[in-house]
Amino acid sequence: SQELEQSPQSLIVQEGKNLTINCTSSKTLYGLYWYKQKYGEGLIFLMMLQKGGEEKSHEKITAKLDEKKQQSSLHITASQPSHAGIYLCGADLRGNTGKLIFGQGTTLQVKP
Amino acid sequence: DAGITQSPRHKVTETGTPVTLRCHQTENHRYMYWYRQDPGHGLRLIHYSYGVKDTDKGEVSDGYSVSRSKTEDFLLTLESATSSQTSVYFCAIHPDGTETQYFGPGTRLLVL
Repeated sequence: SQELEQSPQSLIVQEGKNLTINCTSSKTLYGLYWYKQKYGEGLIFLMMLQKGGEEKSHEKITAKLDEKKQQSSLHITASQPSHAGIYLCGADLRGNTGKLIFGQGTTLQVKP
Repeated sequence: DAGITQSPRHKVTETGTPVTLRCHQTENHRYMYWYRQDPGHGLRLIHYSYGVKDTDKGEVSDGYSVSRSKTEDFLLTLESATSSQTSVYFCAIHPDGTETQYFGPGTRLLVL
């Protein structure tokens, strides 16, 4: 089983709707990263969370870290077609090693 | 743009042949990584490097070797390619003092 589990694996939403993607770790999190990937391209860094309760926003995307649950959520408000892509969470599960473990990704489609 | 290029961007090869992928960065960062991305698995770390001639294995290193004779280049070699190594390969750098890794555009490798 994956050390980082993302849910859902895929998501189709109507433009303008809100959505949430979750990333749950089986181990202690030392840092949780969110990336976005468009098909055929590299990963684009969105944000990093390090402390329990931390919340960060980037345009209409907000991510939170729940240290006790070893979980992070990524919330998109008023989705747009430009939000479509694959969202990946990554984490350093071994403590500041720089070696990231990734979830399997969540594919998001936004219908106009 | 983190100044990372990968070459080739696409390659088709036959089982049993050696293949070398190149990652090139322009800013002399110490830390470089090779990942592979496969459906259902997210990204998995193959090898990484802390500096010239200083490399170590990641979670899926079998069948791969790396070399770093210059700061700017990190080479990934498949000594005898197998069909299970068909994948998309990403290189990443982690600049000192920053909170994240930056990824290259990827190389699509098909082993027939």
